[in-house]
Amino acid sequence: EIVLTQSPGTLSLSPGERATLSCRASQSVSSSYLAWYQQKPGQAPRLLIYGASSRATGIPDRFSGSGSGTDFTLTISRLEPEDFAVYYCQQYGSSPPAFGGGTKVEIK
Amino acid sequence: QVQLVQSGSELKKPGASVKVSCKASGYTFTSYAMNWVRQAPGQGLEWMGWINTNTGNPTYAQGFTGRFVFSLDTSVSTAYLQISSLKAEDTAVYYCARAPSTPMVRGLFGYWGQGTLVTVSS
Repeated sequence: EIVLTQSPGTLSLSPGERATLSCRASQSVSSSYLAWYQQKPGQAPRLLIYGASSRATGIPDRFSGSGSGTDFTLTISRLEPEDFAVYYCQQYGSSPPAFGGGTKVEIK
Repeated sequence: QVQLVQSGSELKKPGASVKVSCKASGYTFTSYAMNWVRQAPGQGLEWMGWINTNTGNPTYAQGFTGRFVFSLDTSVSTAYLQISSLKAEDTAVYYCARAPSTPMVRGLFGYWGQGTLVTVSS
């Protein structure tokens, strides 16, 4: 079973700044089947990135994903007010699918 | 458009049972497996398992065997999660979720229900 560790736990940034979120897997993620989700309070998660680097439908290009093997990164190039939220990584290359513990991006 | 609409919040006493529904629309229900994901208050996301909407065969994640049952009514395009012998630690938001249309990969969650809060308290 793959365990995902996200860092940092909280990221305090200002609108317009760049956000870099990390996700490390306990073993290699098959076929780079790594996804990122955004969750705002009281809402369901929203798929942002799949396959480590492919944006889901309708996701702005300020969101980008990279990485392979055990180390993955979500980058938000310039934070918009609506981007302050919790972000989860998830591996779906092997069963069971697993989520990381989340990174909260908060307004500084 | 694809929609997953879940039943409303529930308040139950310890030892009771609850059944959460997830009604799908906008696509052929039997074309996509349905997953269930739990989120305890202030906590992260936990995959509970999935049900094959063609065969009705469920698969449960570790920790979700015994008291948790996934079922279907394909005539109304609805998936169900039943939890019996409720405990305080079952208090959580429960989501149903399915794969996106592209890529159609099991284990990836492109569509989510709005969530159902189940509160277990005496």
